[in-house]
Amino acid sequence: DAGVIQSPRHEVTEMGQEVTLRCKPISGHNSLFWYRQTMMRGLELLIYFNNNVPIDDSGMPEDRFSAKMPNASFSTLKIQPSEPRDSAVYFCASSPQGARGYTFGSGTRLTVV
Amino acid sequence: GQQLNQSPQSMFIQEGEDVSMNCTSSSIFNTWLWYKQDPGEGPVLLIALYKAGELTSNGRLTAQFGITRKDSFLNISASIPSDVGIYFCAGSTSGTYKYIFGTGTRLKVLA
Repeated sequence: DAGVIQSPRHEVTEMGQEVTLRCKPISGHNSLFWYRQTMMRGLELLIYFNNNVPIDDSGMPEDRFSAKMPNASFSTLKIQPSEPRDSAVYFCASSPQGARGYTFGSGTRLTVV
Repeated sequence: GQQLNQSPQSMFIQEGEDVSMNCTSSSIFNTWLWYKQDPGEGPVLLIALYKAGELTSNGRLTAQFGITRKDSFLNISASIPSDVGIYFCAGSTSGTYKYIFGTGTRLKVLA
């Protein structure tokens, strides 16, 4: 079991650029989550997918953020255009249907300068 | 977003000592989770609690689901250097996917 795989691990980009974060959930897990972690706000749920369908995107901060899950083994979180306040660690997590608690990836540390 | 209050925020302890931390909420939860996060990694699930009063252990870790359902506690016995990290509680009112995470307790163990 390779766990939840995220790429890249680190991303530094200039303000205004498009950023795409990638996630491969654990095989067989049909729930996928994107979280953001900052010192000020802690861990925040951005969006939740179930069986590749977005169920709850109420945590997505604004229209600059979008997420897709084209199939059961891949998801992306895109920020366009990026801003310095988007700097944070972004985590992807997955779980089997109905499980309580989920498995996190190692995260992508995003720095927007 | 909404957060749970954890205390203490940070603590230094001597190796071999027992550690206690807690998490409180203004809301009633149906599920409590405890996670540990090492530097540069994602949180790892330690213990899950499903009903009020439940006491669950995982090795040297013991967690309890508070009777009021508004709090939870985590104890670590005989701490060792690898216990260093940030411990997060998380609660869910629906018992399903949406968890609110605590502010974290940063633990440092002095050898």
